[in-house]
Amino acid sequence: SAVISQKPSRDICQRGTSLTIQCQVDSQVTMMFWYRQQPGQSLTLIATANQGSEATYESGFVIDKFPISRPNLTFSTLTVSNMSPEDSSIYLCSAGGLSYEQYFGPGTRLTVT
Amino acid sequence: GQSLEQPSEVTAVEGAIVQINCTYQTSGFYGLSWYQQHDGGAPTFLSYNGLDGLEETGRFSSFLSRSDSYGYLLLQELQMKDSASYFCAVRDRNTDKLIFGTGTRLQVFP
Repeated sequence: SAVISQKPSRDICQRGTSLTIQCQVDSQVTMMFWYRQQPGQSLTLIATANQGSEATYESGFVIDKFPISRPNLTFSTLTVSNMSPEDSSIYLCSAGGLSYEQYFGPGTRLTVT
Repeated sequence: GQSLEQPSEVTAVEGAIVQINCTYQTSGFYGLSWYQQHDGGAPTFLSYNGLDGLEETGRFSSFLSRSDSYGYLLLQELQMKDSASYFCAVRDRNTDKLIFGTGTRLQVFP
């Protein structure tokens, strides 16, 4: 199993600013992912964070808006850039390896005013 | 691409049995997983079906039929703490991405 922590747990930000969310896993993992979840909705995959290379983004998400870093096998960051109220959501970090089980961090609740 | 549909809400009383269905359209996946998420919490893994048939884990069972593009999660002896959202998910065979269903909110009443 893997335990995932995220910082910050929540934040209130002003329109036009950027926020970087950190994700730390307690063991080395092959795959790391970032999801977005609106309250009461399902999880939408933003991107796969690749160690040592550029992240792979899903349709509708671009690197300029959501730059991602993954410097090693236990850590990743997601930046939400030039924020607007539409970016208000819960952002979840996730990790998985070769097994079918995927682990999730507690999420970062972002409110943009 | 992958598309997984679930009922939006299910209600039941304590001690009852409830089934949450998941129908999918997918181009290829390893297996069907189920996750539970309490309000304000992180999704947590419940069960996995790599092959067709029934998998049982305590009060929870999960079923997969690839020929019918259908699966379900069965919760028995419902408890108040089972009130949560439940998501089916598939891991895409080509990309290893975990894609989630639309989610079902289960409310258990005394």
